[in-house]
Amino acid sequence: DAGVTQSPTHLIKTRGQQVTLRCSPKSGHDTVSWYQQALGQGPQFIFQYYEEEERQRGNFPDRFSGHQFPNYSSELNVNALLLGDSALYLCASSLVSSSYNEQFFGPGTRLTVL
Amino acid sequence: RKEVEQDPGPFNVPEGATVAFNCTYSNSASQSFFWYRQDCRKEPKLLMSVYSSGNEDGRFTAQLNRASQYISLLIRDSKLSDSATYLCVVNPNAGNQFYFGTGTSLTVIP
Repeated sequence: DAGVTQSPTHLIKTRGQQVTLRCSPKSGHDTVSWYQQALGQGPQFIFQYYEEEERQRGNFPDRFSGHQFPNYSSELNVNALLLGDSALYLCASSLVSSSYNEQFFGPGTRLTVL
Repeated sequence: RKEVEQDPGPFNVPEGATVAFNCTYSNSASQSFFWYRQDCRKEPKLLMSVYSSGNEDGRFTAQLNRASQYISLLIRDSKLSDSATYLCVVNPNAGNQFYFGTGTSLTVIP
């Protein structure tokens, strides 16, 4: 049973550049959520995708955008990178019909902005 | 006020000790509650869902107190392998955004 996968594992970018992160959900899951985790903090919700649409969005600027594909995989795009965007980006998948809606996380992409 | 608040610790306990973490949440209508464990530079892993009646899984017991709006995690007979950060998570509307606490750091000492 394949778990959540993310790519790439690590990424180094410079300020002003754009980045795309990818996520494949756990087998059987249909919902993907993205989180940003700064050092020493808990994950912060960016947005959630279900049925290829953004279902809910956290308090992040429009520079953060996403997409979900028909196979439920998802991308997170960040434009005009800032130093403060350096963080671990986590993807979590879940099943919308699940009664308790547990989310399962991928290993994350560690983004460094120089 | 933050949605979820946790004591960041650190908690340093000897092997075999019992340790308890508490977490408070602000939204009284919250539906789902979880404890996740996160090892250094790894992803959070689901430890336990927290049900209204409380639940136990081996050495781990989770409790929910809706009246006081807090959840707790009790770890009995601590093992070295329990050393990690424990994240309290609240899902206010059962389906969408999860709110994470900042995490409580636990180190179990030989």
